[in-house]
Amino acid sequence: QTVVTQEPSFSVSPGGTVTLTCALTSGSVSPSFYPSWYQQTPGQAPRTLIYNTNTRSSGVPDRFSGSILGNKAALTITGAQADDECDYYCVLYMGSGISVFGGGTKLTVL
Amino acid sequence: EMQLLESGGGLVQPGGSLRLSCVGSGFIISYYAMSWVRQAPGTGLEWVSDISSSGDRRHYADSVKGRFTVSRDNSKNTLYLQMDSLRAEDTAVYYCAIVRWTSYYFESWGQGTLVTVAS
Repeated sequence: QTVVTQEPSFSVSPGGTVTLTCALTSGSVSPSFYPSWYQQTPGQAPRTLIYNTNTRSSGVPDRFSGSILGNKAALTITGAQADDECDYYCVLYMGSGISVFGGGTKLTVL
Repeated sequence: EMQLLESGGGLVQPGGSLRLSCVGSGFIISYYAMSWVRQAPGTGLEWVSDISSSGDRRHYADSVKGRFTVSRDNSKNTLYLQMDSLRAEDTAVYYCAIVRWTSYYFESWGQGTLVTVAS
């Protein structure tokens, strides 16, 4: 069974840049997996950041960008701010109506 | 403004059933495919089920297939999730979401409803 993997945790300095990744245990991520990214603060509903690899959702600042880096999907945050400290999830579409979430990355800004 | 409001969560015994509802406001739900996503306490998000705008196509995660049934009543602007044969591992906050099948992403989210399966 193919699993979607993310770094469990990451840290970034205020004002810094961080790239979170989303990989498959078997195979490479490509745009055909329609990678999307979500931000979640504890106790809150997820917020949609990026879809279709690199399209920002309405209202999402351009500090957030998506891409394919090598064989992974990537979310890059530039100019990190304190309220960027939360959990980030990627989703890959596996076909046949099946979407799979990654395990999430807990981002610390310090 | 598009809003989704889930309800129907609560405490249920293992083997029991529960039906969740998700009412849309500020938009016409019949225009959109819809999803259920859940999050067990202290863990990540898990996609559960999708249903097409007309209700003729449905998809399920393997973990719930055969036990959960997604449906919708577009006349009531409402999405449902019928959950049968519940297990402790189904304990989670359940979110409904608008899903865009053009790019397979979740566009808008409700605030969630908590389901606890315990004796």
